[in-house]
Amino acid sequence: DTAVSQTPKYLVTQMGNDKSIKCEQNLGHDTMYWYKQDSKKFLKIMFSYNNKELIINETVPNRFSPKSPDKAHLNLHINSLELGDSAVYFCASSHGSATEAFFGQGTRLTVV
Amino acid sequence: LAKTTQPISMDSYEGQEVNITCSHNNIATNDYITWYQQFPSQGPRFIIQGYKTKVTNEVASLFIPADRKSSTLSLPRVSLSDTAVYYCLVGLMNTGFQKLVFGTGTRLLVSP
Repeated sequence: DTAVSQTPKYLVTQMGNDKSIKCEQNLGHDTMYWYKQDSKKFLKIMFSYNNKELIINETVPNRFSPKSPDKAHLNLHINSLELGDSAVYFCASSHGSATEAFFGQGTRLTVV
Repeated sequence: LAKTTQPISMDSYEGQEVNITCSHNNIATNDYITWYQQFPSQGPRFIIQGYKTKVTNEVASLFIPADRKSSTLSLPRVSLSDTAVYYCLVGLMNTGFQKLVFGTGTRLLVSP
């Protein structure tokens, strides 16, 4: 069983479209994250949710909106996609105070 | 947050021991040192964590000198499958993964 699973794995879409990436974890963790890894391979945190509440919201355009329906899910919705949004997006989860996180396989988003 | 500095890349051959050093001159008294590994097309995964002296697990060893201003991740007898990016992160132990900041990492290439 995959601990942190993201769907889809690949996403190719046109500029201006709206898309969503889903994430689910079966580890019983209370904290989930979204990271963005750009073409230069820098990993940057975007959002963090603890028990369905937003605790970290980095400087991210408000076209990006995370939604956590329950502790096991954290979805990322992106409106009006731009070329610069092309990247690999990783979902991760951890226990609130732990420094070990488990990452999903990533979603490679390509905006054309 | 303590800033970390690592070599951008390293090359090695199968069967050799690889040591990757990370500098963290501004590490705080209560900070721990954590290393993550990222294979191509996968999310990062936790390797090892330590506070001082030496920590060893089935994957690697972590050496931390008394002044804690640096740390060395040691991979014994690397294989081709150890080709990955290795990240050094520094932060408080019980304040959660979201407090850790990924640097540029060290890209290790293992050749036959």
